[in-house]
Amino acid sequence: AQSVTQLGSHVSVSEGALVLLRCNYSSSVPPYLFWYVQYPNQGLQLLLKYTSAATLVKGINGFEAEFKKSETSFHLTKPSAHMSDAAEYFCAVSGANFNKFYFGSGTKLNVKP
Amino acid sequence: NAGVTQTPKFQVLKTGQSMTLQCAQDMNHEYMSWYRQDPGMGLRLIHYSVGAGITDQGEVPNGYNVSRSTTEDFPLRLLSAAPSQTSVYFCAVRAVQTQTQYFGPGTRLLVL
Repeated sequence: AQSVTQLGSHVSVSEGALVLLRCNYSSSVPPYLFWYVQYPNQGLQLLLKYTSAATLVKGINGFEAEFKKSETSFHLTKPSAHMSDAAEYFCAVSGANFNKFYFGSGTKLNVKP
Repeated sequence: NAGVTQTPKFQVLKTGQSMTLQCAQDMNHEYMSWYRQDPGMGLRLIHYSVGAGITDQGEVPNGYNVSRSTTEDFPLRLLSAAPSQTSVYFCAVRAVQTQTQYFGPGTRLLVL
């Protein structure tokens, strides 16, 4: 069975501050992990993915995430928040065949000027 | 090159009515799936297809039917709508050999 838990449904940071969005996973098989971003009234867009290569993954828009097997975590970070980062972020896990993706409940990021 | 398109964008139904949500792609990707998005619950997989003529159930298939007669289209049918099916529905596609899913813009469904 696979599942994802995102801690914090809402996160608020000031512009220029560090962004940290938390994701913990549960998987009985080697996991493949993803972060997606959703802007208002739009579909989801892939930010980055971990597929068993490097544990530190860099994505678009300056985001990165680190896969930590010992902590079963895949937290998303960005050194300096920008107003345009305000959106909802979803962590997802999949097994090796990628037929089924399991999404977390999402974290809404608010960026204050 | 439209990518993934969904119609309609918004629909209001009465309990018991039926309707079909359309999803079409011009990316020639084998894998297509339907998700529903509800506040605080993320996205949940309803049905998916790994190619024409092949479909399978996801996490929350009850109340929904699908078929896949062509690579391009993957309609989602609600045979008898219920208020619990009020949600935003997303279609996604990906190539079998990759892990990247491309999402459509969504259909907002309100069942009264």
